[in-house]
Amino acid sequence: GAVVSQHPSRVICKSGTSVKIECRSLDFQATTMFWYRQFPKQSLMLMATSNEGSKATYEQGVEKDKFLINHASLTLSTLTVTSAHPEDSSFYICSALHAGNGDKLFFGSGTQLSVL
Amino acid sequence: ELKVEQNPLFLSMQEGKNYTIYCNYSTTSDRLYWYRQDPGKSLESLFVLLSNGAVKQEGRLMASLDTKARLSTLHITAAVHDLSATYFCAVVDGTASKLTFGTGTRLQVTL
Repeated sequence: GAVVSQHPSRVICKSGTSVKIECRSLDFQATTMFWYRQFPKQSLMLMATSNEGSKATYEQGVEKDKFLINHASLTLSTLTVTSAHPEDSSFYICSALHAGNGDKLFFGSGTQLSVL
Repeated sequence: ELKVEQNPLFLSMQEGKNYTIYCNYSTTSDRLYWYRQDPGKSLESLFVLLSNGAVKQEGRLMASLDTKARLSTLHITAAVHDLSATYFCAVVDGTASKLTFGTGTRLQVTL
């Protein structure tokens, strides 16, 4: 089956630093990827839609300058949390749209970000 | 704005019992998904339901969809401890394949 790799799985950083999370579709091309955030014991909230070769589309209330998304190739999208603060600590999950497989969505393994 | 609600939010059930989780959504959609999430892990796809009256079964889990009522159910038959997890339904929002997730149901199966 299709595989989406997300890295790193866990990161701890100091307040004020930036953290980059990678999401790769390993065996298919994904022109569209999605980034979600999940706080403990809560549901997944869509942050943004990442489109290959164009600007990401952010959901209402998500700061585009804080959460930088780059989708430079058909298999890679990155989310950079800039100037991270403790309130950014969360579980971040990406998903990739497999257009060649009935528009199925495949999820990455998630990244647990802890900002000290 | 699409809203997706699940109930119950938390369910504690004994092994061997049956129960149903409900997922209601507010606007028309052509796809509904069920996922399982274990603590600290990502999502495991369980079912995708594409049409009114669709029913899918895998092991002790069965999912159904009523698009007219905007309701999906996930039925658990003869629960076992291994089914303990959080279950989410998610509905496709528009044509962009964006998923709006339900509130989640944390299932705890006790011995």
